[in-house]
Amino acid sequence: DIQMTQSPSTLSASVGDRVTFTCRASQSISSWLAWYQQTPGKAPKVLIYKASSLQSGVPSRFSGSGSGTEFTLTISSLQPDDFATYYCQQYDSFPWTFGQGTKVEIK
Amino acid sequence: QLQLQESGPGLVKPSETLFLTCTVSGGSIHSSSYDWGWIRQPPGKGLEWIGSVYSSGSTYYNSSLKSRVTISVDTSKNQLSLKLSSVTAADTAVYFCARTGILCSSGCFDYWGQGTLVTVSS
Repeated sequence: DIQMTQSPSTLSASVGDRVTFTCRASQSISSWLAWYQQTPGKAPKVLIYKASSLQSGVPSRFSGSGSGTEFTLTISSLQPDDFATYYCQQYDSFPWTFGQGTKVEIK
Repeated sequence: QLQLQESGPGLVKPSETLFLTCTVSGGSIHSSSYDWGWIRQPPGKGLEWIGSVYSSGSTYYNSSLKSRVTISVDTSKNQLSLKLSSVTAADTAVYFCARTGILCSSGCFDYWGQGTLVTVSS
């Protein structure tokens, strides 16, 4: 199985900050990576698919990059609604696997 | 607007079989453009893909659960179902149904149900 490792596990930031976090795959997954945002008690919401494509309706402050084994999600200016947990998911090879998540907390 | 709604027992006894359904409204589950899956999340933990069923009829399961899980589609009821046998406390989780499709290359999930908590306990 492909292991997905996210860093950091927790990130403390303030409204307006630019934040970046990383997802690493244990083997190459080309660009078959999605990013999700999850708030407590809610289902995950897809933000980015195919590593860098912005899902319809998602604010343009979110961007994704990377290919192969290293990927990043950037929020250009953190907003109050963005304090959440973010997961990456690979869909290159079965079984699809998720990272353990990065929690963005208010500083 | 597409909506997915999971339903099923909130409490299951150890060694029994868990059965959940996901009712799709606002769209047809029988579409060549979309496929469907189940994902779960133990309390306070991360996400685990359980398996997916494709419009071709193919199913793929997480190898960690493969011998215990069955996913199927009932087009007459516009429902997706999950059957997980021989459950243990480790199967306690929020279970989500979700849709994938062309945009996600049938791999990531663009619509999710709200999730249903299943607790395994005697």
